[in-house]
Amino acid sequence: QQQVKQSPQSLIVQKGGISIINCAYENTAFDYFPWYQQFPGKGPALLIAIRPDVSEKKEGRFTISFNKSAKQFSLHIMDSQPGDSATYFCAASMSRSGSARQLTFGSGTQLTVLP
Amino acid sequence: SAVISQKPSRDICQRGTSLTIQCQVDSQVTMMFWYRQQPGQSLTLIATANQGSEATYESGFVIDKFPISRPNLTFSTLTVSNMSPEDSSIYLCSVGGGNGYTFGSGTRLTVV
Repeated sequence: QQQVKQSPQSLIVQKGGISIINCAYENTAFDYFPWYQQFPGKGPALLIAIRPDVSEKKEGRFTISFNKSAKQFSLHIMDSQPGDSATYFCAASMSRSGSARQLTFGSGTQLTVLP
Repeated sequence: SAVISQKPSRDICQRGTSLTIQCQVDSQVTMMFWYRQQPGQSLTLIATANQGSEATYESGFVIDKFPISRPNLTFSTLTVSNMSPEDSSIYLCSVGGGNGYTFGSGTRLTVV
């Protein structure tokens, strides 16, 4: 069962445009929602993360919008640059009694920013 | 955040053989995680490795196929045993906790 659904699968944006990637989750026990950026040949790197007690978090050109009632969250990349071209993964995690937190990843979005 | 060194970075292996992947962290960590990323796909957790105890495997992954060692708080290995072409993937180790997770650069495995 896929617990975190991500769309779109691929996205092409012009330089300077806004890139928007959406995720939806099913398990209301999730309480931590990170976004990862992965370049070819590299492991994913944490980009930005949010907890459900806030509706928005901004770090530079990257913003997470979170809608707890709809169980949805999205990543917005403002003023997209060719260097932002990468694969983006949303993820979710929850605390588990006696066990480590683990991440459940979305399926990924391949972003291409055209110069 | 922790720095993870993972090796080998890539390998081409014959079917039926085994490959051991090493993960070294620059600080002591309680939990280490091993993931598989099949070509063009998302990351799937294989197992969680806690120092001094057996690894905990996720559904669909078994110890005989993916034995894990965790001899100390900075090191772990994952072995992919009796490989078949279906095992061709990127394997990543990860450490972290409530404030985020760090990933190694991965091992790109091709089984021929």
